Amino acid sequence: NAGVMQNPRHLVRRRGQEARLRCSPMKGHSHVYWYRQLPEEGLKFMVYLQKENIIDESGMPKERFSAEFPKEGPSILRIQQVVRGDSAAYFCASSPLRAADYGYTFGSGTRLTVV
Amino acid sequence: KQEVTQIPAALSVPEGENLVLNCSFTDSAIYNLQWFRQDPGKGLTSLLLIQSSQREQTSGRLNASLDKSSGRSTLYIAASQPGDSATYLCAASIGGSNYKLTFGKGTLLTVNP
Repeated sequence: NAGVMQNPRHLVRRRGQEARLRCSPMKGHSHVYWYRQLPEEGLKFMVYLQKENIIDESGMPKERFSAEFPKEGPSILRIQQVVRGDSAAYFCASSPLRAADYGYTFGSGTRLTVV
Repeated sequence: KQEVTQIPAALSVPEGENLVLNCSFTDSAIYNLQWFRQDPGKGLTSLLLIQSSQREQTSGRLNASLDKSSGRSTLYIAASQPGDSATYLCAASIGGSNYKLTFGKGTLLTVNP
């Protein structure tokens, strides 16, 4: 069991470019969550997805950010027209069924740097 | 606003010492609380998960407690080792959500040989 796989581990983008972050949940996990860790801040919830459904995107910025978890393939967090303030570590987590019962398993994160 | 607070922000101890990390949360309606370890530039490793119906969990040299009435959790580390040096994060499912974690900012632990 390879755990939660995120790629790339590091991503550098120029201002205005698009960033695509990928997350493959643990085998058997159908729930995916994205969190962002800004420098000197705690992790903040962004979005909760199940296959083909966005359950809660209350933590996502209203513009430029989107997430999906298709029927086949990894979950994608997409940031359009990146700005320097998007520089952060983005973590994906997964859980089987209810996270309240089983807790989270996190990936190693993608560190986005916008130059 | 739901908040999780961790004190101290940083802690330095000599090897072999027993230590306690503290976490407080603002909502007694808690579903669960999870302690994580984060090494520099790395991801989060789950240490212990405590359900709201439980008072404590143990794994090896680690023991975590949960007191809903006072809104507190503690992580006890026995016989600390240099390899325990890391940032310890407390995260709680509170505020009516059974899936959204609210994180503290962490305690940076340094265990000196």
